[in-house]
Amino acid sequence: SQTIHQWPATLVQPVGSPLSLECTVEGTSNPNLYWYRQAAGRGLQLLFYSVGIGQISSEVPQNLSASRPQDRQFILSSKKLLLSDSGFYLCAWMRTGSQETQYFGPGTRLLVL
Amino acid sequence: RKEVEQDPGPFNVPEGATVAFNCTYSNSASQSFFWYRQDCRKEPKLLMSVYSSGNEDGRFTAQLNRASQYISLLIRDSKLSDSATYLCVVGLNAGNNRKLIWGLGTSLAVNP
Repeated sequence: SQTIHQWPATLVQPVGSPLSLECTVEGTSNPNLYWYRQAAGRGLQLLFYSVGIGQISSEVPQNLSASRPQDRQFILSSKKLLLSDSGFYLCAWMRTGSQETQYFGPGTRLLVL
Repeated sequence: RKEVEQDPGPFNVPEGATVAFNCTYSNSASQSFFWYRQDCRKEPKLLMSVYSSGNEDGRFTAQLNRASQYISLLIRDSKLSDSATYLCVVGLNAGNNRKLIWGLGTSLAVNP
């Protein structure tokens, strides 16, 4: 069976500090991978998706970047965090080319102070 | 108009009640439909897919009306553990990616 891991679970960072959130998937190969952010009381906002190693698509311009150095690893980064980067960051995976849906990791709750 | 619209609620119902959530979507090219459940401070989890003929999973029944671009979720015999936010999700194929459009969710509180 497939599992998806995210870490850390929670993070408190000062404004201007860097960020690196990691997501890994087990039990599948060549998945589509997604990063979402959910701000308090808001809906899910798609930030990035990747259909393969080194292939990143950005949905909205922002202070963040993403990388996919390995098939089952997806990293979300920032060089300098803003207050507005606070939120619940969720990584999701989906089988490539399928009619199935996305499955989420447990998320990282980020608070920028 | 939002791509996927839901009544945000909250819906407050007593245990044992039947509650229905509705969702409308704007893109007629949408190809797949889902209901997710999200507990407070947790990740969304797939509740059920929604098929054209309608489908049932225990106390949960999902319906799809493509002509009206409308999706529904019916929960019968509500339990306290059903309290959560229910997210309506619509899938579109975009090249080699599959894009999911998320509603903002409907909040349900089941009271003893």
